[in-house]
Amino acid sequence: AQSVTQLGSHVSVSEGALVLLRCNYSSSVPPYLFWYVQYPNQGLQLLLKYTSAATLVKGINGFEAEFKKSETSFHLTKPSAHMSDAAEYFCAVSDPGNNAGNMLTFGGGTRLMVKP
Amino acid sequence: EAQVTQNPRYLITVTGKKLTVTCSQNMNHEYMSWYRQDPGLGLRQIYYSMNVEVTDKGDVPEGYKVSRKEKRNFPLILESPSPNQTSLYFCASSFRRGNSPLHFGNGTRLTVT
Repeated sequence: AQSVTQLGSHVSVSEGALVLLRCNYSSSVPPYLFWYVQYPNQGLQLLLKYTSAATLVKGINGFEAEFKKSETSFHLTKPSAHMSDAAEYFCAVSDPGNNAGNMLTFGGGTRLMVKP
Repeated sequence: EAQVTQNPRYLITVTGKKLTVTCSQNMNHEYMSWYRQDPGLGLRQIYYSMNVEVTDKGDVPEGYKVSRKEKRNFPLILESPSPNQTSLYFCASSFRRGNSPLHFGNGTRLTVT
């Protein structure tokens, strides 16, 4: 069974500072990995995904994530935080060999707060 | 515009009064799914459907029903809601491939008193 752990349910950074949101997964096979963002009163939007191509994945709004198989991690980073980045972020994993379609397992989420 | 539409956005009801939350997508996606979101627990899957007339249980199916009579619609039914079903619910859809991202609706906030 797959699982996803997001370290830190709340992260606070200053505007302009580095953003680092941590995600570790467990999976019996190399997985597909996703980061989603949820703004207040909205559904989740895809930020980026890893599907076994380049290990450094670039997403929207200046975010990127690096797949590290040895560490079973897929941490999300952004060099310089903007006030508009304040939102909740979810890491998710799916098993490429799962024939049951797009079955995602989500982490518990990390709420990012950006201070002026 | 490609979208997943859920209705209603907000719903307050009483214990035991049957309700339905509708979900519709216009992207011709085979796969549709319902999630509930609770603080600290992330999103947990309730039911999913890989195509018309094909549905299956997710991680937390108790107290819920679904149907998939048409490709675009996937309603969530609570036959006898209870207070522990107070939550934020999301419908999502995608093509039926593991690397295909999910498209989410804007959510339905349900309160059961």
